[in-house]
Amino acid sequence: DAGVIQSPRHEVTEMGQEVTLRCKPISGHDYLFWYRQTMMRGLELLIYFNNNVPIDDSGMPEDRFSAKMPNASFSTLKIQPSEPRDSAVYFCASSFYWGGGTDTQYFGPGTRLTVL
Amino acid sequence: GENVEQHPSTLSVQEGDSAVIKCTYSDSASNYFPWYKQELGKRPQLIIDIRSNVGEKKDQRIAVTLNKTAKHFSLHITETQPEDSAVYFCAALTEGSQGNLIFGKGTKLSVKP
Repeated sequence: DAGVIQSPRHEVTEMGQEVTLRCKPISGHDYLFWYRQTMMRGLELLIYFNNNVPIDDSGMPEDRFSAKMPNASFSTLKIQPSEPRDSAVYFCASSFYWGGGTDTQYFGPGTRLTVL
Repeated sequence: GENVEQHPSTLSVQEGDSAVIKCTYSDSASNYFPWYKQELGKRPQLIIDIRSNVGEKKDQRIAVTLNKTAKHFSLHITETQPEDSAVYFCAALTEGSQGNLIFGKGTKLSVKP
C-alpha cells in the first residue's frame, strides 16, 4: 500500500488566489481527516469525513475554507481566497475505524503552503 | 472540550540516557492516548498508543504510562539514540463520541551523541 497520498507537496501562491489541496486515503479506510500544522497552534483538526460524509467541520477556520470528498478515494481542501496567515503544512490522514476500534490515524506527507 | 498540555517543549539528552515527556488532559472521559513522532520535514507517525483500561504499555525502548486518576500520561524512551531526535506529540481522544483527536503542542527531543 502506498499510504496516504497528498498533492502538491509544496504550493506557493499569492494572496487572493484559490488553492486546492488533494488527498487520497489508504484504500479501505472509512475515515479521512484534514489537519493544519503551524508553529504557533500545533496540529489542529480542520474537518473529518466518515464514508465520504463530513462529520465535524468545527475546526474549519472560516468560510474561505471548504472540503469535499466526492468518493472514497479522493478528497480536496480548498482555500478561496487565500491569505498569508493560511501559510502552514496541511496534513491529510486516514483511519480504518474511529471511536472505539482501530483508531490509528495514518498521515500523508503533507502539503507545505506558502501564501505571499 | 478536551485540552491536552504537553511538557517540556524542548528536551535535550545525551545518547544512552532516558527521556520522559509528560502530558495532561482535561476530559476524564478520554480513553485513547496515542503518541506520534515527527522528524523534521516528515509526517507524524504513530509510535505507541494506550487505552484507558491499561496502565502501561511497552514496545522495546519505548513505554507509555497512564494515570487516569491524575489524568496524565507519559512517554518514556530508554537508551536514547541520535535517531530518536524528533518532535513528539501526545494526543487524547474520547472514544465512542465520534470526537476529535486533540494533540499536545509537541516536544522537540534532541539526542546528543
